[in-house]
Amino acid sequence: DQQVKQNSPSLSVQEGRISILNCDYTNSMFDYFLWYKKYPAEGPTFLISISSIKDKNEDGRFTVFLNKSAKHLSLHIVPSQPGDSAVYFCAASASGTYKYIFGTGTRLKVLA
Amino acid sequence: EAQVTQNPRYLITVTGKKLTVTCSQNMNHEYMSWYRQDPGLGLRQIYYSMNVEVTDKGDVPEGYKVSRKEKRNFPLILESPSPNQTSLYFCASSQRMTGADTQYFGPGTRLTVL
Repeated sequence: DQQVKQNSPSLSVQEGRISILNCDYTNSMFDYFLWYKKYPAEGPTFLISISSIKDKNEDGRFTVFLNKSAKHLSLHIVPSQPGDSAVYFCAASASGTYKYIFGTGTRLKVLA
Repeated sequence: EAQVTQNPRYLITVTGKKLTVTCSQNMNHEYMSWYRQDPGLGLRQIYYSMNVEVTDKGDVPEGYKVSRKEKRNFPLILESPSPNQTSLYFCASSQRMTGADTQYFGPGTRLTVL
C-alpha cells in the first residue's frame, strides 16, 4: 500500500509560470515532509521541508503547503525556470520510526 | 568536499553471483540508508542504520544484507542476486534520523542482473 502518493507522473509548465506539484499521504503519524529534486544520472538533492506543526514553508522561489486535514501537501515553484526541469519526490517520516517513505515522483518539464 | 560516494556506478552481473555495493560518507553522519528506485514505484527504503552496529529493515529488505562496522561505510550486499533486483540503487546519509535532518544522496549504482 502506497502511503505517499504523487498522482501526476509528469507536468509541463511554461517558463515564468507557476509549477504546482502535489503529494497525498495516508498515514496520520507522519509529522515531517520533504521534497527532493532529482536530475538524470544524479542522486536526489534536498529542496525544502515542512513540519506538521506548520502549514507553509517558503524558501526563495519554492513554497511547500501542508493541509493536514486533507493529508495533502504541495510544492509551488514561482517563477518556474528551465533549470527546474527534473523529477520531484515528496517524502514523509514519522518521529521514532527511523524510516522515510517516498512518493513515486513527478517529472517536471519547464518549457522555454 | 562533503559527499556520499558509491561504487561501482554501473554493474552487470548474473543470477546468483554475490556482489557488494560500497557506500562511504565523509560527513561523520550517524544515519545511513539504502534505497532502490524503480519505474512507477519511486524510491523504496531497503535498510537503514542509526549508528555503528545498529541496522534495521526498511520496506523492501528481502534479498539484501547490510553491515555498519565503521561510521563512514555502509555496504549493501546481495548474496544471491536475482533479476528482480535489477534497479537503480542510492545510498544516503544524514547527521541523525530526525525529520529535520536532510539526507545527502550518493550518485547511484545501476545494477543489472541477468
